[in-house]
Amino acid sequence: AQKITQTQPGMFVQEKEAVTLDCTYDTSDPSYGLFWYKQPSSGEMIFLIYQGSYDQQNATEGRYSLNFQKARKSANLVISASQLGDSAMYFCAMREGETSYDKVIFGPGTSLSVIP
Amino acid sequence: SQTIHQWPATLVQPVGSPLSLECTVEGTSNPNLYWYRQAAGRGLQLLFYSVGIGQISSEVPQNLSASRPQDRQFILSSKKLLLSDSGFYLCAWSTGTGFVQPQHFGDGTRLSIL
Repeated sequence: AQKITQTQPGMFVQEKEAVTLDCTYDTSDPSYGLFWYKQPSSGEMIFLIYQGSYDQQNATEGRYSLNFQKARKSANLVISASQLGDSAMYFCAMREGETSYDKVIFGPGTSLSVIP
Repeated sequence: SQTIHQWPATLVQPVGSPLSLECTVEGTSNPNLYWYRQAAGRGLQLLFYSVGIGQISSEVPQNLSASRPQDRQFILSSKKLLLSDSGFYLCAWSTGTGFVQPQHFGDGTRLSIL
């Protein structure tokens, strides 16, 4: 079964507008971390933001914020004031458990296009 | 600060030829190391991960193998490449302290099999 679901294969947003990229996850482990990565057309994966399962507050990092709704198992990425350089693939990922070698599970990604 | 180097950036190989991709990390000790493959327009598939020298875990049975001869060196190999091995290969590292640590990626290798 899919552990990370990103239901939006592609999204468009007007420059300077805000956009929300959806991510839902499935785990029975009480300890987990949720991550968002950006992959521009050049290919490198850029770490954007992190939310831990025990964190009380939503994570924020500059123009990125994570809307964490634990009961609904969702961790949506909000990008405020979109810029042309935000056009990229965005991946939601999850790491489960306390052990140090746990692998990270990635979602299928959402392609974001920012329109001038 | 920590950096990760991955090479080559692009590679074109004939079917049946061998493969060696290398990844090194600087600025940290005993990292967890990972190899991923990404098919065109798709998500990441974990191939191998390693928590220490000589310790390799395989996620997908295939004609690829990985080795970790030194603490900060991770190598992806194949004796005979298949057409299906084409893709974008990414190496990543993380520190070994559980679920709070993100992975940090190299710039990737684009592998085309002819």
